[in-house]
Amino acid sequence: DTEVTQTPKHLVMGMTNKKSLKCEQHMGHRAMYWYKQKAKKPPELMFVYSYEKLSINESVPSRFSPECPNSSLLNLHLHALQPEDSALYLCASSQDFGGYTFGSGTRLTVV
Amino acid sequence: GEDVEQSLFLSVREGDSSVINCTYTDSSSTYLYWYKQEPGAGLQLLTYIFSNMDMKQDQRLTVLLNKKDKHLSLRIADTQTGDSAIYFCAESRGDDKIIFGKGTRLHILP
Repeated sequence: DTEVTQTPKHLVMGMTNKKSLKCEQHMGHRAMYWYKQKAKKPPELMFVYSYEKLSINESVPSRFSPECPNSSLLNLHLHALQPEDSALYLCASSQDFGGYTFGSGTRLTVV
Repeated sequence: GEDVEQSLFLSVREGDSSVINCTYTDSSSTYLYWYKQEPGAGLQLLTYIFSNMDMKQDQRLTVLLNKKDKHLSLRIADTQTGDSAIYFCAESRGDDKIIFGKGTRLHILP
């Protein structure tokens, strides 16, 4: 298995809702990432987990809460989001610095 | 500071070579990458080059690195309609943080 799987593919949520994005990889990669991508923009790093520990938080608002339950899973818990948080959320994993494998993303719309 | 610059658009005729250019500012960049993103999809790693190399070739793709000028290029030989996508240049200093350029949209002319 050489893929990063993200669910759901699409999500519409209200500003008072709580939802979670899920990411899974079975390549044994030590690092997992959350990126946010707005239309026609490059991906922006949000969080990095290395060996299941949070190693980088790019000053992301607390309404985004990451969780790494084990070495294969990465979640992003969402609460009280704003319409401007609508974007494509990408998960990625890597073992070393020679390549990052990205999932196909969750397209999030906040209404 | 960290910055990666690319031109935003490139139009190429089918069958010609495409050359996408990128400049970066961080002299401590260790790894440089090219990613491809098709509409509605995630990013696909095309190739990467370590900073002590100046060229890497993989089938139709050739990466050239001029470390002195901090210039990276991606050449796609015999460009096909399936190569139509956004191409992101990216760099890393060897930590877990990748800095992406704004992306070059490659348009293929018939």
